[in-house]
Amino acid sequence: EVQLVESGGGLVQPGGSLRLSCAASGFSFSSYWMSWVRQAPGKGLEWVANIKQDGSEKYYVDSVKGRFTISRDNAKNSLYLQMNSLRAEDTAVYYCAREIIVVVEDYWGQGTLVTVSS
Amino acid sequence: EIVLTQSPATLSLSPGERATLSCRASQSVSTYLAWYQQKAGQAPRLLIYDASNRATGIPARFSGSGSGTDFTLTISSLEPEDFAVYYCQQRGNWPPSTFGQGTRLEIK
Repeated sequence: EVQLVESGGGLVQPGGSLRLSCAASGFSFSSYWMSWVRQAPGKGLEWVANIKQDGSEKYYVDSVKGRFTISRDNAKNSLYLQMNSLRAEDTAVYYCAREIIVVVEDYWGQGTLVTVSS
Repeated sequence: EIVLTQSPATLSLSPGERATLSCRASQSVSTYLAWYQQKAGQAPRLLIYDASNRATGIPARFSGSGSGTDFTLTISSLEPEDFAVYYCQQRGNWPPSTFGQGTRLEIK
């Protein structure tokens, strides 16, 4: 069974940093692109970033470029999102997702809530 | 960045009725459009990818069509569990991939 479990969310002050993790199981993690998608409270979905199987390609939405870094550790079956210089508008549930084909997310985690507030 | 506009914002129907949801792109995305269902408090669920391909385990009452800028998700006969929010997403011109604002399908 495919499972994706996010962790690392919480309350952080504006300008602060947070690192999200996603533990994957039930599939060959190193064979898939992986992505982060977020959803602000009561709002729609926003694609944030994705990463190729070997980590050689990474793409971001403009609003997080230069502040967020996506990475992966295939030996640990884990995906990460390092978030720096956080802003109030980054407040959202962050989902980790597997891409069945590039930018089509077929399995999602349950999400982890990031709240940026003073 | 491609903007996806979904209509209507809210659709009120009864179980057994046919639902037709629309997604319009600001420029052509070919057939690179997906549909997701999201229920309250849950992660999204992939229904359709590349305009008309049903994802694994998705019932046949869900179908997708369209190409270029105009796409449709059809639910042939609504079941009680189909009432949710539906999003379209494009990968025809990425990054970034973009989502529509969603259509809420509610029970009439």
